Amino acid sequence: GNSVTQMEGPVTLSEEAFLTINCTYTATGYPSLFWYVQYPGEGLQLLLKATKADDKGSNKGFEATYRKETTSFHLEKGSVQVSDSAVYFCALSDYSGYSTLTFGKGTMLLVSP
Amino acid sequence: EPEVTQTPSHQVTQMGQEVILRCVPISNHLYFYWYRQILGQKVEFLVSFYNNEISEKSEIFDDQFSVERPDGSNFTLKIRSTKLEDSAMYFCASKTKGAIGNYGYTFGSGTRLTVV
Repeated sequence: GNSVTQMEGPVTLSEEAFLTINCTYTATGYPSLFWYVQYPGEGLQLLLKATKADDKGSNKGFEATYRKETTSFHLEKGSVQVSDSAVYFCALSDYSGYSTLTFGKGTMLLVSP
Repeated sequence: EPEVTQTPSHQVTQMGQEVILRCVPISNHLYFYWYRQILGQKVEFLVSFYNNEISEKSEIFDDQFSVERPDGSNFTLKIRSTKLEDSAMYFCASKTKGAIGNYGYTFGSGTRLTVV
C-alpha cells in the first residue's frame, strides 16, 4: 500500500535559517504529492503540490521537487520566519477515482527569533 | 475563496453518546471525505463519499460510524456510541475532479471531539 515517511520533529531553527524537512514515499504508479501545513489551533491548509516527476511546487517561499528516482519530496525554505512555526505534513494521492490522501506523521517546526 | 465549513469547532460528549459532526463542502465539488487526527498522531483517512454512497473506507470506519449527505448541501459524520479513543480532530474535505493528476482537495478547519 501507499505510505509516506517524514523526518521526526520537532525541528528547531532560528529565524532566517535554512529549512529542510525530508519526505519519502512508497506508492504504485504516479502519485501526486503535497505538503500541508497546520498552524496552532487551525486546520490543514495546502501549502504546495506537484503532480508529476520533476515538477517543483512552490508557495510562500517554500519549495519541494518531485523526485521519482529517489521517491522523495523534500520541503525547503531559504529563510524561515517565526510565523512559519507549525506542523508540516507530507502527503500523497494516487491516481484513482477517489484519490484518498495518505499522510506522513507530520513534522513540527519551531522557529525562534 | 470558497471554503469547507465545519461545525461545531469543538464538541465534548460523554462516552456512549451519539455525536453528529457537520460539514458544508464547496458547492461544485463531487467527492467528500472525513479524516481524523488523534492528538500527536498522523492524519488518517476514514471514508470517502461520491454519488451519494460510500466509495472507500478505512478499517477505522467500523459499524459505529456512518455518513450521509441528507440535503445536497451538508455532509455529516455520525458516531453512534462514542468511545474515549474517538477523541480526535475530525477534518472534512471536498474535492472536484480536475485534470489528470490535478486533485484539488479543500479541508475544513476541523471539529475537535472530546469524549469524556
